[in-house]
Amino acid sequence: GQSLEQPSEVTAVEGAIVQINCTYQTSGFYGLSWYQQHDGGAPTFLSYNALDGLEETGRFSSFLSRSDSYGYLLLQELQMKDSASYFCALQAAGNKLTFGGGTRVLVKP
Amino acid sequence: GAVVSQHPSWVICKSGTSVKIECRSLDFQATTMFWYRQFPKQSLMLMATSNEGSKATYEQGVEKDKFLINHASLTLSTLTVTSAHPEDSSFYICSARDDGAGEETQYFGPGTRLLVL
Repeated sequence: GQSLEQPSEVTAVEGAIVQINCTYQTSGFYGLSWYQQHDGGAPTFLSYNALDGLEETGRFSSFLSRSDSYGYLLLQELQMKDSASYFCALQAAGNKLTFGGGTRVLVKP
Repeated sequence: GAVVSQHPSWVICKSGTSVKIECRSLDFQATTMFWYRQFPKQSLMLMATSNEGSKATYEQGVEKDKFLINHASLTLSTLTVTSAHPEDSSFYICSARDDGAGEETQYFGPGTRLLVL
């Protein structure tokens, strides 16, 4: 089976940097994705890592270390609109996704 | 960008009735779609994989006779919650993978909130 662990909640101020860690266990690794979900909304895709290293997309970056079964999402220059839940998700055969429990990010003025 | 729609966006029904939820890929073809369920303050749980022209694949613990899935075309999958009960009240979300994109991104629909009274 697959399992993922991420912190339940993070609080930071506008302009700060937040790192959300995700550790996982899986028998077969295809990739690690990150999704953002605002309250009442659907998840939106942020980033995907299949290989080790850093992927940068604007203010958001994602990192993967397959040897450590570990990844993180980095949110830079935090804005109020970044208050949301962030999920890491393991990609499995057949493109099936297993989601972590989610990290609720609260951005304060 | 790729858009996935769901209908209805919310539904309230009486216990014992059946509810059908549609998931459409609007500007791409999707051989495979996925159905998730999310309870308040919880994560998304994959219920089943919907395959165009063949039977859906259900995750362990999901009753296939209760959650009927039909994927009759490359742009439409439906989930029918049969004989719904209050414990089926949840946020149902579908996603689709673009056959022509060659990438691993799944595009999510806006979700359907189901409340069973």
